[in-house]
Amino acid sequence: NAGVMQNPRHLVRRRGQEARLRCSPMKGHSHVYWYRQLPEEGLKFMVYLQKENIIDESGMPKERFSAEFPKEGPSILRIQQVVRGDSAAYFCASSPSTGAEAFFGQGTRLTVV
Amino acid sequence: GESVGLHLPTLSVQEGDNSIINCAYSNSASDYFIWYKQESGKGPQFIIDIRSNMDKRQGQRVTVLLNKTVKHLSLQIAATQPGDSAVYFCAESFGNEKLTFGTGTRLTIIP
Repeated sequence: NAGVMQNPRHLVRRRGQEARLRCSPMKGHSHVYWYRQLPEEGLKFMVYLQKENIIDESGMPKERFSAEFPKEGPSILRIQQVVRGDSAAYFCASSPSTGAEAFFGQGTRLTVV
Repeated sequence: GESVGLHLPTLSVQEGDNSIINCAYSNSASDYFIWYKQESGKGPQFIIDIRSNMDKRQGQRVTVLLNKTVKHLSLQIAATQPGDSAVYFCAESFGNEKLTFGTGTRLTIIP
């Protein structure tokens, strides 16, 4: 059973471009969480999704950021018109249900130049 | 807002010794706590968890202690090894949904 898969592992974007980060949860997991981590800091919650539904997006900026978890395919975190401040590591975690242990992927390191 | 914080940002321990990493949390409603280990360039790795109806839980070489009275969480690692060198985060949640992470403690094992 493969773990949580995130791609790309590294992503470089110029200011103003769009960034798309993908997360394939573990098999059988229908809950996906996205977190953001700045260097030397803890992870900050962004959004919690279940299949086709956003459950909690309280940690996600209202503008430029969006997330989806379609019925088929990976969860996507989309950042439009990236700015240098968006540079960070973005981690995805998945769990089979509420209250179950969440497993993290290896993250996508976004660098905005 | 509610936050999870750590008392010590860095900790150096001699190989073979025991280490203790501490964490203070402020949300008294939190009912689930987890310790994660994060190595450089990798995602957080689950170490051990504990629910609020317990005050101690043991794993392999690791023990988590929860003191709800003072809202304190600790991770004890016995007989430390070089591979234990990493950043350790505590995290809390209420209702087992989103996690609130602390800022982390960097543990360095000295050979």
